[in-house]
Amino acid sequence: DAGITQSPRHKVTETGTPVTLRCHQTENHRYMYWYRQDPGHGLRLIHYSYGVKDTDKGEVSDGYSVSRSKTEDFLLTLESATSSQTSVYFCAISHSGGYDNEQFFGPGTRLTVL
Amino acid sequence: AQSVTQLGSHVSVSEGALVLLRCNYSSSVPPYLFWYVQYPNQGLQLLLKYTTGATLVKGINGFEAEFKKSETSFHLTKPSAHMSDAAEYFCAVSGEGAQKLVFGQGTRLTINP
Repeated sequence: DAGITQSPRHKVTETGTPVTLRCHQTENHRYMYWYRQDPGHGLRLIHYSYGVKDTDKGEVSDGYSVSRSKTEDFLLTLESATSSQTSVYFCAISHSGGYDNEQFFGPGTRLTVL
Repeated sequence: AQSVTQLGSHVSVSEGALVLLRCNYSSSVPPYLFWYVQYPNQGLQLLLKYTTGATLVKGINGFEAEFKKSETSFHLTKPSAHMSDAAEYFCAVSGEGAQKLVFGQGTRLTINP
């Protein structure tokens, strides 16, 4: 298995509170991604990173920010959580940004916003 | 923009029967196509992918998929289902823009004993 961990694995929070999810990799892969998984929608890209301090928006970036200060860590922050952000969040990594390149996924974080 | 449609959010087959999971894509460029599997409470893992060359692609656990450009399809098959195949399966397309991977809605496969 690719060396990807996510923390926390489960979190319950209240509307309006800030939340930070962490993705940590030991593979030294350049690209890192944050997705959310919701029933009927598959996985949708929130933000991605193509290097330290290099990030860009995905399909559903509103309400989320990211940071990458080290190759191994990619943080996803919900500045003020809303109930619509209740979801399962997956981090993924890939060696390169090529379209044919496999992405490796972490175990996921289940976030509930009350 | 690229998109993926998986026909059937839930497929149920008997153990030993043929598994067929359908995937159709839309792309304005030659696509790269992927099938991922997600077991309960786990992340996704790659089953197989099509990039270029042979249109019949073999993957892990006895699965295979055929790229049919004329039908814009990439259906996943397995001749004989096992109980361990019960999972959710995602088709994805790549090759255009910064999105890297665009996923379908997923198909949950149930295996009946």
